[in-house]
Amino acid sequence: DTEVTQTPKHLVMGMTNKKSLKCEQHMGHRAMYWYKQKAKKPPELMFVYSYEKLSINESVPSRFSPECPNSSLLNLHLHALQPEDSALYLCASSQEVEGNTEAFFGQGTRLTVV
Amino acid sequence: GEDVEQSLFLSVREGDSSVINCTYTDSSSTYLYWYKQEPGAGLQLLTYIFSNMDMKQDQRLTVLLNKKDKHLSLRIADTQTGDSAIYFCAEGSSASKIIFGSGTRLSIRP
Repeated sequence: DTEVTQTPKHLVMGMTNKKSLKCEQHMGHRAMYWYKQKAKKPPELMFVYSYEKLSINESVPSRFSPECPNSSLLNLHLHALQPEDSALYLCASSQEVEGNTEAFFGQGTRLTVV
Repeated sequence: GEDVEQSLFLSVREGDSSVINCTYTDSSSTYLYWYKQEPGAGLQLLTYIFSNMDMKQDQRLTVLLNKKDKHLSLRIADTQTGDSAIYFCAEGSSASKIIFGSGTRLSIRP
């Protein structure tokens, strides 16, 4: 199993809603990542978790709140988003943060904020 | 800071070879990657090469690295319609430090 599974695939939410994006991997990877990708742009790193602890926060606004309940799951809680937050949100995982750098990406959640 | 540059578009005839080029700035990068992204989908790691290698071949894919010029290329032999996608070049010293280029959109004409 070399898959990173993200749900939902599509999400439309209002600016006052609270929603969560979910990511799951069963490859035994200890590093998991959230990326944001705007249309026609490369992915931008948001958060890195290493051994279930947040190790990198790339100055992401607090309306995005990550959570790593266990080594296989990564969530991204969303609250009071703005229309400019509409994007494809990609989850990725790798064996470790350092060293082996083959990162596996999920299919993404396409988020639209209305 | 680190930067990765690649051309935005490439159009090739079906059956021809596609060559996508990329330049990068960070000479300390350990790994150079090529990712493929189909419309509406996530990123698929196609291949990667260590910075101490010159070439890597994997079936229809050939990666060439010129470390002196900081130039990376991806050659796709016998390009098929299923190869239509955006191809991202990326460099990194670890999985948490990957810098992506802007992506090259490859289109295939009959």
